Amino acid sequence: QVQLVQSGAEVKKPGASVKVSCKASGYTFTGYYMHWVRQAPGQGLEWMGWMNSKSGGTNYAQKFQGRVTMTRDTSNSTAYMELSRLRSDDTAVYYCARDGGDSSWYFDYWGQGTLVTVSS
Amino acid sequence: DIQMTQSPSSLSASVGDRVTITCRASQSISSHLNWYQQKPGKAPKLLIYAASSLQSGVPSRFSGSGSGTDFTLTISSLQAEDFATYYCQQSYSNPLFGQGTRLEIK
Repeated sequence: QVQLVQSGAEVKKPGASVKVSCKASGYTFTGYYMHWVRQAPGQGLEWMGWMNSKSGGTNYAQKFQGRVTMTRDTSNSTAYMELSRLRSDDTAVYYCARDGGDSSWYFDYWGQGTLVTVSS
Repeated sequence: DIQMTQSPSSLSASVGDRVTITCRASQSISSHLNWYQQKPGKAPKLLIYAASSLQSGVPSRFSGSGSGTDFTLTISSLQAEDFATYYCQQSYSNPLFGQGTRLEIK
């Protein structure tokens, strides 16, 4: 069965960077794009970008361009999302989510979420 | 940029009720509209994709309809486990979610 298992919670200071991992299993990792979505406390869902798991190509939401980097390690079927120059309003749960296939841009499987807290 | 507007933002209903949630796009998105359910502390779960296709494993009481700019998610007979927050999401261009509809027990 498809599973996406994310790394654990992080606490960071403003200005620092965080890197969240997402290990995939149960399917061919390079066959599907991977997206990242975040959710601030009590708020809605915000798409951050996608990564082509085969080629490594990326497309980031304009809001995060220049601060987010999505990468992958195909040998370990793991996707990564790094967010730099953290601010307090980056405090959120970050999810990886598998694309539904054929660049459908919907999300059929989700990781469990990683809480990133930004606080001085 | 495409904007997504869900209504209502919250809704109270009883077990057995028929419930409809609406999502409107600021421009035509054809059938590129998806629905998710999220329970507190959990990741969202895909219910409906491409406006009306039921995701595998999702109960048939959930259905979706619409095309162009206006879409609906219908739950034909509410069950206790359906009380959650529901989000629409357009996949016509860079993904964007609606603001969510919180479905509460009356």
